[in-house]
Amino acid sequence: DAKTTQPTSMDCAEGRAANLPCNHSTISGNEYVYWYRQIHSQGPQYIIHGLKNNETNEMASLIITEDRKSSTLILPHATLRDTAVYYCIVRVTGLEGGSEKLVFGKGMKLTVNP
Amino acid sequence: GAGVSQTPSNKVTEKGKYVELRCDPISGHTALYWYRQSLGQGPEFLIYFQGTGAADDSGLPNDRFFAVRPEGSVSTLKIQRTERGDSAVYLCASSSAGARTEAFFGQGTRLTVV
Repeated sequence: DAKTTQPTSMDCAEGRAANLPCNHSTISGNEYVYWYRQIHSQGPQYIIHGLKNNETNEMASLIITEDRKSSTLILPHATLRDTAVYYCIVRVTGLEGGSEKLVFGKGMKLTVNP
Repeated sequence: GAGVSQTPSNKVTEKGKYVELRCDPISGHTALYWYRQSLGQGPEFLIYFQGTGAADDSGLPNDRFFAVRPEGSVSTLKIQRTERGDSAVYLCASSSAGARTEAFFGQGTRLTVV
């Protein structure tokens, strides 16, 4: 399984952009990069995913390097409610009909400060 | 409801007892996943269903753990002869088929073995 590495924690000021890095140097060509977050005592929440092109939705932007070995999740205007553990995940796909499980690491704790 | 529902939300059981945890996925989602999460750790994959069949059960820790999804919708995670080390939050997620689609998580069942 491809693995990801993230910083253990990061702080961000409210209203500023939060840039969350992730390394996935062993990613395979057909594996997607997914980002989830988990607010205390809740289930993980989907944020965004991408293959090789940059992606944007109402929550965030995902920037994937050309070699696909790293990516950055951008929260353009962080709020206090964005304080959570953020998981960068490579989506494992097996053979036809096989597993498409998400393999979580320990994630990165983002704290948004007032 | 529109989301993934897990029952019970909390379960306390004595060591050695049998427990069942239930997951109601989002209607129409063919893929269903079980994870467990210990304090301070990311979710750990247990098993993945595609329809009624277990496509990947490589995360089940031992033969005390078993999961079923007989009609391709509701799933039950069964744990026999519970041990204190089984204490964790058990998370269920569902998605449409394919690695390109996001998985939606329930709030989890907190299992405590005393």
